Amino acid sequence: ELKVEQNPLFLSMQEGKNYTIYCNYSTTSDRLYWYRQDPGKSLESLFVLLSNGAVKQEGRLMASLDTKARLSTLHITAAVHDLSATYFCAVDTYGGSQGNLIFGKGTKLSVKP
Amino acid sequence: GAVVSQHPSWVICKSGTSVKIECRSLDFQATTMFWYRQFPKQSLMLMATSNEGSKATYEQGVEKDKFLINHASLTLSTLTVTSAHPEDSSFYICSARERDAYNEQFFGPGTRLTVL
Repeated sequence: ELKVEQNPLFLSMQEGKNYTIYCNYSTTSDRLYWYRQDPGKSLESLFVLLSNGAVKQEGRLMASLDTKARLSTLHITAAVHDLSATYFCAVDTYGGSQGNLIFGKGTKLSVKP
Repeated sequence: GAVVSQHPSWVICKSGTSVKIECRSLDFQATTMFWYRQFPKQSLMLMATSNEGSKATYEQGVEKDKFLINHASLTLSTLTVTSAHPEDSSFYICSARERDAYNEQFFGPGTRLTVL
C-alpha cells in the first residue's frame, strides 16, 4: 500500500524566513504534485513534478523531486503572510490500476508578521 | 483551460434526504473522474473512480449503495448521497482527467454538504 508522509504537519513561520516541507512516499513513482488549499476552498495546483531531479520554481516556492530517495521537498523562501495555507503533496499511482492520487496529510503553514 | 466545475457549491439538507452533486469538465473530455471527501482539518480521501460509460470503482470502506456515482458522458459525473445523515456532512471534491492515466487531474471547487 502506497503511503505518503508529510512533515511537518504544522509550521509557524516568521515573515522573511526560509523553510522546507518534506514529502516521503513508500513506493516507486516519478509523478508527484503539490497543491495549496485555502480555508473553505478546493485545491490549487502549484507544481507538477514528472521525473527524477525535477525542480520547479514559482515566486517564493520551489519544489524538487528525488525518485531514488522517494522524497519531494517544497522550499519556501522569505515567507510572506499570503503564503499561509495548507499544502498537500500527492503521489500518482499511475503505474497501478487507474492512476489515482494518494495525498499526504497536509502541512498547515502560518506565516506571522 | 482544464476547468472543472461543481454544483452546488454548498447544500444543507435534512437527515434522510438524498443529495446530488454534479461535476463537469468545461473545456475537455474527462474519461476518468474522481470523487474525494475531506473532513475538517484532514486530507482528501478518495471515495471512488469513475470511467465514462462504466461502473464506478469504490475504495475500501465506501458504501456504493449510499454514494451513487454516475458518469454518463465525457463531461459530467454525478455523486448522489442517498439517505444522508449528519455523519455524511463533509466537503466533497471531484477531479477529472483527460484520456490516459498519465495526464494530470484537475480539481473542482468542491461542494460543502451539511446534513441536519
